[in-house]
Amino acid sequence: DAMVIQNPRYQVTQFGKPVTLSCSQTLNHNVMYWYQQKSSQAPKLLFHYYDKDFNNEADTPDNFQSRRPNTSFCFLDIRSPGLGDAAMYLCATSGSGTSGMYEQYFGPGTRLTVT
Amino acid sequence: GQQVMQIPQYQHVQEGEDFTTYCNSSTTLSNIQWYKQRPGGHPVFLIQLVKSGEVKKQKRLTFQFGEAKKNSSLHITATQTTDVGTYFCAGPGQNFVFGPGTRLSVLP
Repeated sequence: DAMVIQNPRYQVTQFGKPVTLSCSQTLNHNVMYWYQQKSSQAPKLLFHYYDKDFNNEADTPDNFQSRRPNTSFCFLDIRSPGLGDAAMYLCATSGSGTSGMYEQYFGPGTRLTVT
Repeated sequence: GQQVMQIPQYQHVQEGEDFTTYCNSSTTLSNIQWYKQRPGGHPVFLIQLVKSGEVKKQKRLTFQFGEAKKNSSLHITATQTTDVGTYFCAGPGQNFVFGPGTRLSVLP
């Protein structure tokens, strides 16, 4: 089945130690998103790729970076995780067209713990 | 910037009762999407509304987009325990924004 896969599902890192989360998709969608979701809150968009074009949200901290080496893969790099970065990180994909972006398909998420 | 608000924040209903959540945007939306997130799960797309005044139904769920394309609602008729979760509206704009969500609990 076509899907969005995130690895690892759970990640523990130390304060200040760089960490990379990965996302892959078999849907062949041209748009990929990274969201941060904290407990009992809505997903907050960090950035998205429209094909190879990177779109950073204005309030996304510089501590968060992303790479998309090809259509199928996207990575979230947290350069120096702080305690406040502990959260669920959701990857999503969507197609797009002249009417805008379509429905988003979410992966299961990676829960990041910072010790 | 764009703000998307939802009310209520929480709703507890008895199984079989109806449920409605309302979504309001500070700006006009080209379209609006609704997602459901079960406890411990990830958001799952429910529907997208595009046209002013549009109404769409999915079994017991009825979605409506306001005439001014700044508000929307989701109504569930005769709730079931499988409806438990958080319902988010989300809209495109300068950035894609999720509303804060309405958490629904259904008492059997």
